[in-house]
Amino acid sequence: DAGVIQSPRHEVTEMGQEVTLRCKPISGHDYLFWYRQTMMRGLELLIYFNNNVPIDDSGMPEDRFSAKMPNASFSTLKIQPSEPRDSAVYFCASSFRGGRADTQYFGPGTRLTVL
Amino acid sequence: KQEVTQIPAALSVPEGENLVLNCSFTDSAIYNLQWFRQDPGKGLTSLLLIQSSQREQTSGRLNASLDKSSGRSTLYIAASQPGDSATYLCAVSPYSGAGSYQLTFGKGTKLSVIP
Repeated sequence: DAGVIQSPRHEVTEMGQEVTLRCKPISGHDYLFWYRQTMMRGLELLIYFNNNVPIDDSGMPEDRFSAKMPNASFSTLKIQPSEPRDSAVYFCASSFRGGRADTQYFGPGTRLTVL
Repeated sequence: KQEVTQIPAALSVPEGENLVLNCSFTDSAIYNLQWFRQDPGKGLTSLLLIQSSQREQTSGRLNASLDKSSGRSTLYIAASQPGDSATYLCAVSPYSGAGSYQLTFGKGTKLSVIP
């Protein structure tokens, strides 16, 4: 399996622009997680989905952030409008409840820089 | 609110040395504890997962212990190698049916093994 795939790997944008991050989970996994990592705050859970349904979005920092999972093989995290403080590495992870359900498999991350 | 602390933030050791990484958490009502490894520019890889009912887990040269009552875990690495150089993160999940996937991470210990 190719693992969790994220795109783009790097994104540089200007303040006020819309940013869309993409994630393809491992086939057969039924949980999908979005995390943000910064030096100051470490790794934080933003939102997670089960069977394409958002379960908990309490970690989403503001209304400027939104996430969707239209099908089992694709999810997006959108920031609109973006701000310099959104600069971070955003990770997507997936897991499978039937297996080692608590083991989350992480993608390589998207490094976002907002100027 | 659960808080996870890892000390030290960085550690440098000569090759071949045995070492211990520490993790502490404030709320002992956890479902499990996991240790992850993160290489620069990459995502996280799960190393060991300890259920709340377990005391330790072993994988090769790695041994993780859990003392839930005192809110502590250690990751022991035997005969360290340069390839072990990475950041090691500890994460806990709360004791909750729906919330067992909400990992709270420490900020990690950056390990450098000097040849």
